[in-house]
Amino acid sequence: AQKVTQAQTEISVVEKEDVTLDCVYETRDTTYYLFWYKQPPSGELVFLIRRNSFDEQNEISGRYSWNFQKSTSSFNFTITASQVVDSAVYFCALSEIPTSGTYKYIFGTGTRLKVLA
Amino acid sequence: DAGITQSPRYKITETGRQVTLMCHQTWSHSYMFWYRQDLGHGLRLIYYSAAADITDKGEVPDGYVVSRSKTENFPLTLESATRSQTSVYFCASKISGRSYNEQFFGPGTRLTVL
Repeated sequence: AQKVTQAQTEISVVEKEDVTLDCVYETRDTTYYLFWYKQPPSGELVFLIRRNSFDEQNEISGRYSWNFQKSTSSFNFTITASQVVDSAVYFCALSEIPTSGTYKYIFGTGTRLKVLA
Repeated sequence: DAGITQSPRYKITETGRQVTLMCHQTWSHSYMFWYRQDLGHGLRLIYYSAAADITDKGEVPDGYVVSRSKTENFPLTLESATRSQTSVYFCASKISGRSYNEQFFGPGTRLTVL
């Protein structure tokens, strides 16, 4: 069965510090997608990144970077030089790719990041 | 406006009443989803729909009913609301196909059942 674990319930950092949010997943499938979403205090859910199981290249987008390691079933998210605007709840999600039918998502319970000025 | 909208944004109701939460998307996405968000549980899938007139249960469907007569609309009905259904409800949609699998979410509806 699918499972996504975000063991860090809440993290507080001081502005400009780097922070890594952990995501560990479980799946029996060899083909799957991983995602990160951001939920700022305003409440909406914002898609950040998609990674499929065949692409283990790390990705960098500005101050954001993602480290995908199949060997440890992890898809960690690092924010470099954090800013107050990064304060949000971040969700990791997993979706398997069925040969037929729809896609189902499993979300982790989220990590609340507080960036202090 | 283009995108995915939900109405109402806030709703207070009483136990036993029927409540319908609306979801509308303008992208013509094939798939639509309903989630509830509760502290300690993240987002849990209630129902989803792969196309008009095709719906299926998710992880926590009990007490909810959905329909999808049109591609753009996916209402969620609580037939007899209970206090345990107090939650924030998110609607989401995605395009069909294997290459793009991310979901795009509406702004959410905060429902309180007294």
